[in-house]
Amino acid sequence: NAGVTQTPKFQVLKTGQSMTLQCAQDMNHNSMYWYRQDPGMGLRLIYYSASEGTTDKGEVPNGYNVSRLNKREFSLRLESAAPSQTSVYFCASSEGRQGGQPQHFGDGTRLSIL
Amino acid sequence: AQKITQTQPGMFVQEKEAVTLDCTYDTSDQSYGLFWYKQPSSGEMIFLIYQGSYDEQNATEGRYSLNFQKARKSANLVISASQLGDSAMYFCAMRGVNSGGYQKVTFGTGTKLQVIP
Repeated sequence: NAGVTQTPKFQVLKTGQSMTLQCAQDMNHNSMYWYRQDPGMGLRLIYYSASEGTTDKGEVPNGYNVSRLNKREFSLRLESAAPSQTSVYFCASSEGRQGGQPQHFGDGTRLSIL
Repeated sequence: AQKITQTQPGMFVQEKEAVTLDCTYDTSDQSYGLFWYKQPSSGEMIFLIYQGSYDEQNATEGRYSLNFQKARKSANLVISASQLGDSAMYFCAMRGVNSGGYQKVTFGTGTKLQVIP
């Protein structure tokens, strides 16, 4: 009963380093999302993938890239980390089409950029 | 474009009392959906309740109800009989759709609720 699994849970990087956050869901959902959460700003959408093979920019895409590897996996890459990218990152998935299906969230990744 | 506004950064409520958390929204879509999520201090996001724009009745889920006023573009969450475990951040979110008909969800900035014994 895993749902949405994010790895790693915590990470500390130096400015300029790169890393990839991994996300996998086992609910056969079409849509997957990456958010960042900063104090006082709620969740802001970075990128989303409405269905396998498609990705779209969200509200704050600069400095990030994504890959929808298959229906299960959606990764987020920071090519050259900056202190402004210090945040908690959430991956989510949903069935995708219109309707009342909520998003299911992973437990988050706490990322600190020094 | 769609926007969610939560104007209450923090709220206090006495245990066993009811509390209303405000949410207003703006969208040009005819069909949309509104969600509320709870985020305890442990950090996970927990889905609470959903209201579709064409639903005629207000949604209810146990102690949670959604006071949907379409003309006023508000979707307030009402928690009845507050419990200590209700202390958390609460986020209102709106579902829109992209050109392919898939969900795109926008969140508000959240309200921190503290239940006082």
